[in-house]
Amino acid sequence: NAGVTQTPKFQVLKTGQSMTLQCAQDMNHNSMYWYRQDPGMGLRLIYYSASEGTTDKGEVPNGYNVSRLNKREFSLRLESAAPSQTSVYFCASSEAGTSGGNRETQYFGPGTRLLVL
Amino acid sequence: AQSVAQPEDQVNVAEGNPLTVKCTYSVSGNPYLFWYVQYPNRGLQFLLKYITGDNLVKGSYGFEAEFNKSQTSFHLKKPSALVSDSALYFCAVRGTGDYKLSFGAGTTVTVRA
Repeated sequence: NAGVTQTPKFQVLKTGQSMTLQCAQDMNHNSMYWYRQDPGMGLRLIYYSASEGTTDKGEVPNGYNVSRLNKREFSLRLESAAPSQTSVYFCASSEAGTSGGNRETQYFGPGTRLLVL
Repeated sequence: AQSVAQPEDQVNVAEGNPLTVKCTYSVSGNPYLFWYVQYPNRGLQFLLKYITGDNLVKGSYGFEAEFNKSQTSFHLKKPSALVSDSALYFCAVRGTGDYKLSFGAGTTVTVRA
């Protein structure tokens, strides 16, 4: 049981390049999330998927797109990378979205460090 | 809007001494409260949560947290800190019926031998 896995672990992009960050979970969770972590700002939600087939914007969605490919996989795409998107990106999953408190715990992947030059 | 404040950027304690990491929150309705720990170059690990019931919540690695509704606080505590507890700690809150988990800025804990 690997939990939440993310690829790649580290990536360097030039301004304007595109890339897709991959995330997969093997816990049969319904909800999945993408966050970015910046120093002194905690984690900020980019997009989330409450269930397979649905996606919604979070706090900082500009410059990103997502795809919930199936129940296991949730990808984050940067169409035209900018230096402001230099960050550490975390994917997370939870059993449920809002239906019950004890199913709300989010479990995080190891992160992807992205540097945009 | 919901928010979390962790008033201390850093907490330094000696090994064996009590450790407290402070957290206050603002949310509409009843809060779901969480503590996570992050070790260097790692993802966030779940420590404990308050959903409902007993105000004192016990979690992993000997940590506990007390929910105080009147003070809107959820401070993390450990009676006797270990050097291995040195890490970055995040408090997070979510309102009932909301998907969004709001995180504090984090508190770096350093436990000296």
